[in-house]
Amino acid sequence: DTEVTQTPKHLVMGMTNKKSLKCEQHMGHRAMYWYKQKAKKPPELMFVYSYEKLSINESVPSRFSPECPNSSLLNLHLHALQPEDSALYLCASSQVDLLTYNEQFFGPGTRLTVL
Amino acid sequence: ENQVEHSPHFLGPQQGDVASMSCTYSVSRFNNLQWYRQNTGMGPKHLLSMYSAGYEKQKGRLNATLLKNGSSLYITAVQPEDSATYFCARAGAGGFKTIFGAGTRLFVKA
Repeated sequence: DTEVTQTPKHLVMGMTNKKSLKCEQHMGHRAMYWYKQKAKKPPELMFVYSYEKLSINESVPSRFSPECPNSSLLNLHLHALQPEDSALYLCASSQVDLLTYNEQFFGPGTRLTVL
Repeated sequence: ENQVEHSPHFLGPQQGDVASMSCTYSVSRFNNLQWYRQNTGMGPKHLLSMYSAGYEKQKGRLNATLLKNGSSLYITAVQPEDSATYFCARAGAGGFKTIFGAGTRLFVKA
Protein backbone atom coordinates (compact mmCIF):
# COMPACT_ATOMS: atom_id res chain seq x y z
CA ASP A 1 0.00 0.00 0.00
CA THR A 2 1.73 3.17 -1.22
CA GLU A 3 -1.15 5.51 -0.59
CA VAL A 4 -1.63 8.46 1.71
CA THR A 5 -5.29 9.11 2.40
CA GLN A 6 -6.80 12.37 3.59
CA THR A 7 -10.26 13.15 4.88
CA PRO A 8 -12.37 15.04 4.22
CA LYS A 9 -11.78 15.89 0.55
CA HIS A 10 -13.57 19.22 0.94
CA LEU A 11 -14.35 21.26 4.05
CA VAL A 12 -16.25 24.51 4.43
CA MET A 13 -16.13 26.12 7.85
CA GLY A 14 -16.99 29.37 9.54
CA MET A 15 -14.44 31.43 11.43
CA THR A 16 -15.81 30.28 14.78
CA ASN A 17 -15.89 26.56 13.96
CA LYS A 18 -13.54 23.85 15.17
CA LYS A 19 -12.73 21.12 12.67
CA SER A 20 -10.01 18.54 12.07
CA LEU A 21 -8.22 17.23 9.01
CA LYS A 22 -7.06 13.63 9.04
CA CYS A 23 -4.25 11.85 7.24
CA GLU A 24 -3.32 8.16 7.25
CA GLN A 25 -0.56 6.05 5.73
CA HIS A 26 0.37 2.39 6.08
CA MET A 27 3.77 2.41 4.41
CA GLY A 28 5.66 2.28 7.70
CA HIS A 29 6.91 5.83 7.20
CA ARG A 30 8.02 7.53 10.41
CA ALA A 31 8.02 11.10 9.08
CA MET A 32 4.78 12.90 8.32
CA TYR A 33 4.22 16.39 7.01
CA TRP A 34 1.53 19.06 6.65
CA TYR A 35 1.72 21.51 3.77
CA LYS A 36 -0.50 24.41 2.74
CA GLN A 37 -0.94 25.17 -0.96
CA LYS A 38 -2.65 28.22 -2.40
CA ALA A 39 -3.88 28.24 -5.99
CA LYS A 40 -1.06 28.33 -8.56
CA LYS A 41 1.56 28.36 -5.78
CA PRO A 42 3.95 25.69 -4.53
CA PRO A 43 3.28 23.70 -1.36
CA GLU A 44 4.53 25.47 1.77
CA LEU A 45 5.72 23.37 4.67
CA MET A 46 3.81 23.83 7.93
CA PHE A 47 4.77 20.98 10.27
CA VAL A 48 6.92 17.86 10.30
CA TYR A 49 6.63 14.93 12.70
CA SER A 50 9.43 12.43 13.07
CA TYR A 51 8.78 9.31 15.16
CA GLU A 52 5.56 10.90 16.36
CA LYS A 53 7.36 13.93 17.76
CA LEU A 54 7.03 17.44 16.33
CA SER A 55 10.29 18.13 14.52
CA ILE A 56 9.54 21.29 12.56
CA ASN A 57 6.97 24.06 13.06
CA GLU A 58 7.37 26.71 10.40
CA SER A 59 6.06 29.51 12.63
CA VAL A 60 2.49 28.47 11.91
CA PRO A 61 -0.23 30.41 13.79
CA SER A 62 -1.62 28.62 16.84
CA ARG A 63 -5.06 28.36 15.25
CA PHE A 64 -3.51 25.35 13.47
CA SER A 65 -2.71 22.56 15.92
CA PRO A 66 -1.09 19.35 14.66
CA GLU A 67 -1.28 15.99 16.36
CA CYS A 68 0.36 12.65 15.62
CA PRO A 69 -1.45 10.02 17.73
CA ASN A 70 0.52 7.12 16.26
CA SER A 71 2.94 6.31 13.45
CA SER A 72 0.15 5.96 10.85
CA LEU A 73 -2.03 8.94 11.67
CA LEU A 74 -1.61 12.69 11.46
CA ASN A 75 -4.27 15.23 12.36
CA LEU A 76 -4.53 18.97 11.91
CA HIS A 77 -6.94 20.66 14.29
CA LEU A 78 -8.41 23.93 13.09
CA HIS A 79 -9.91 26.65 15.26
CA ALA A 80 -10.84 30.29 14.66
CA LEU A 81 -9.49 30.29 11.13
CA GLN A 82 -9.46 33.31 8.84
CA PRO A 83 -10.69 33.48 5.22
CA GLU A 84 -7.05 33.77 4.08
CA ASP A 85 -6.47 30.27 5.49
CA SER A 86 -8.57 28.87 2.64
CA ALA A 87 -6.25 26.59 0.66
CA LEU A 88 -5.45 22.99 -0.23
CA TYR A 89 -3.95 21.23 2.78
CA LEU A 90 -1.63 18.40 1.82
CA CYS A 91 -0.34 15.61 3.99
CA ALA A 92 2.82 13.70 3.07
CA SER A 93 4.93 10.93 4.54
CA SER A 94 8.45 9.64 4.05
CA GLN A 95 11.11 7.35 5.39
CA VAL A 96 13.59 8.87 7.81
CA ASP A 97 16.82 7.25 6.61
CA LEU A 98 19.42 9.56 5.08
CA LEU A 99 19.06 8.49 1.46
CA THR A 100 15.30 8.41 1.03
CA TYR A 101 13.75 10.73 3.57
CA ASN A 102 12.96 13.36 1.01
CA GLU A 103 11.01 11.07 -1.29
CA GLN A 104 7.70 12.21 0.04
CA PHE A 105 4.41 10.54 -0.73
CA PHE A 106 1.55 13.03 -0.84
CA GLY A 107 -2.14 12.56 -0.25
CA PRO A 108 -4.75 14.17 -2.53
CA GLY A 109 -5.31 17.03 -0.10
CA THR A 110 -8.25 18.61 1.69
CA ARG A 111 -9.71 21.67 -0.03
CA LEU A 112 -10.56 24.04 2.84
CA THR A 113 -12.79 27.07 2.49
CA VAL A 114 -13.18 29.45 5.43
CA LEU A 115 -16.20 31.72 5.25
CA GLU B 1 19.02 31.19 0.76
CA ASN B 2 15.54 29.71 0.79
CA GLN B 3 14.52 30.69 -2.73
CA VAL B 4 14.12 28.17 -5.51
CA GLU B 5 13.53 29.75 -8.91
CA HIS B 6 12.03 27.97 -11.94
CA SER B 7 12.49 28.66 -15.61
CA PRO B 8 10.35 28.90 -17.63
CA HIS B 9 7.14 29.44 -15.68
CA PHE B 10 5.11 28.01 -18.56
CA LEU B 11 5.99 25.59 -21.33
CA GLY B 12 3.76 24.62 -24.28
CA PRO B 13 5.51 22.09 -26.52
CA GLN B 14 3.94 20.06 -29.27
CA GLN B 15 3.37 16.36 -28.73
CA GLY B 16 6.60 14.48 -29.45
CA ASP B 17 8.91 17.41 -28.64
CA VAL B 18 11.46 17.57 -25.84
CA ALA B 19 10.37 19.70 -22.88
CA SER B 20 13.19 21.36 -21.00
CA MET B 21 12.90 23.13 -17.67
CA SER B 22 15.26 24.12 -14.91
CA CYS B 23 15.49 25.48 -11.40
CA THR B 24 18.17 27.43 -9.58
CA TYR B 25 18.78 28.17 -5.92
CA SER B 26 21.35 29.69 -3.64
CA VAL B 27 22.17 27.54 -0.69
CA SER B 28 24.96 27.43 1.83
CA ARG B 29 24.37 23.82 2.83
CA PHE B 30 23.17 21.54 0.09
CA ASN B 31 21.44 18.34 1.01
CA ASN B 32 19.54 16.89 -1.91
CA LEU B 33 17.15 17.88 -4.67
CA GLN B 34 13.97 16.31 -5.90
CA TRP B 35 11.60 16.81 -8.80
CA TYR B 36 7.86 16.42 -8.28
CA ARG B 37 4.93 16.52 -10.64
CA GLN B 38 1.47 17.72 -9.70
CA ASN B 39 -1.69 17.24 -11.71
CA THR B 40 -4.64 19.54 -11.10
CA GLY B 41 -6.62 18.51 -8.03
CA MET B 42 -4.03 16.03 -6.81
CA GLY B 43 -1.06 15.98 -4.50
CA PRO B 44 2.49 16.16 -5.90
CA LYS B 45 4.12 12.92 -6.98
CA HIS B 46 7.83 12.32 -6.51
CA LEU B 47 9.73 11.79 -9.78
CA LEU B 48 13.47 11.84 -9.05
CA SER B 49 15.94 12.54 -6.26
CA MET B 50 19.54 13.63 -6.75
CA TYR B 51 22.30 13.99 -4.20
CA SER B 52 25.46 15.58 -5.56
CA ALA B 53 26.55 18.08 -8.18
CA GLY B 54 27.32 16.47 -11.52
CA TYR B 55 24.75 13.77 -10.87
CA GLU B 56 22.56 12.66 -13.76
CA LYS B 57 19.51 10.48 -13.49
CA GLN B 58 17.23 8.93 -16.09
CA LYS B 59 13.83 7.43 -15.48
CA GLY B 60 11.80 6.48 -18.53
CA ARG B 61 11.41 9.63 -20.63
CA LEU B 62 12.70 11.82 -17.80
CA ASN B 63 16.31 12.92 -17.67
CA ALA B 64 17.62 15.18 -14.91
CA THR B 65 20.98 16.71 -14.13
CA LEU B 66 22.16 18.32 -10.93
CA LEU B 67 24.52 21.26 -10.98
CA LYS B 68 26.14 23.12 -8.14
CA ASN B 69 23.22 25.51 -7.71
CA GLY B 70 20.48 24.14 -9.90
CA SER B 71 18.95 21.33 -11.84
CA SER B 72 17.54 20.69 -15.29
CA LEU B 73 14.72 18.30 -16.17
CA TYR B 74 14.14 17.04 -19.70
CA ILE B 75 11.09 15.11 -20.83
CA THR B 76 11.53 13.46 -24.22
CA ALA B 77 8.70 12.74 -26.64
CA VAL B 78 6.18 14.63 -24.52
CA GLN B 79 2.59 13.43 -24.52
CA PRO B 80 -0.60 15.29 -23.55
CA GLU B 81 -0.74 13.20 -20.37
CA ASP B 82 2.58 14.77 -19.31
CA SER B 83 0.73 18.07 -18.86
CA ALA B 84 1.13 19.06 -15.21
CA THR B 85 3.09 21.40 -12.98
CA TYR B 86 6.66 20.29 -12.33
CA PHE B 87 8.30 21.35 -9.09
CA CYS B 88 11.91 21.28 -8.05
CA ALA B 89 12.33 20.94 -4.27
CA ARG B 90 15.45 21.12 -2.16
CA ALA B 91 16.04 19.93 1.35
CA GLY B 92 17.14 22.60 3.76
CA ALA B 93 19.40 22.20 6.76
CA GLY B 94 18.02 19.52 9.05
CA GLY B 95 16.82 17.35 6.19
CA PHE B 96 13.07 17.31 6.58
CA LYS B 97 12.56 20.95 5.68
CA THR B 98 11.65 20.84 2.00
CA ILE B 99 11.40 24.02 -0.03
CA PHE B 100 9.49 23.93 -3.30
CA GLY B 101 10.05 26.27 -6.20
CA ALA B 102 7.10 27.97 -7.90
CA GLY B 103 7.08 25.29 -10.59
CA THR B 104 6.90 25.07 -14.36
CA ARG B 105 3.46 24.53 -15.85
CA LEU B 106 3.68 22.18 -18.81
CA PHE B 107 0.87 21.97 -21.33
CA VAL B 108 1.47 19.58 -24.24
CA LYS B 109 -0.44 20.36 -27.41
CA ALA B 110 -1.77 17.31 -29.23
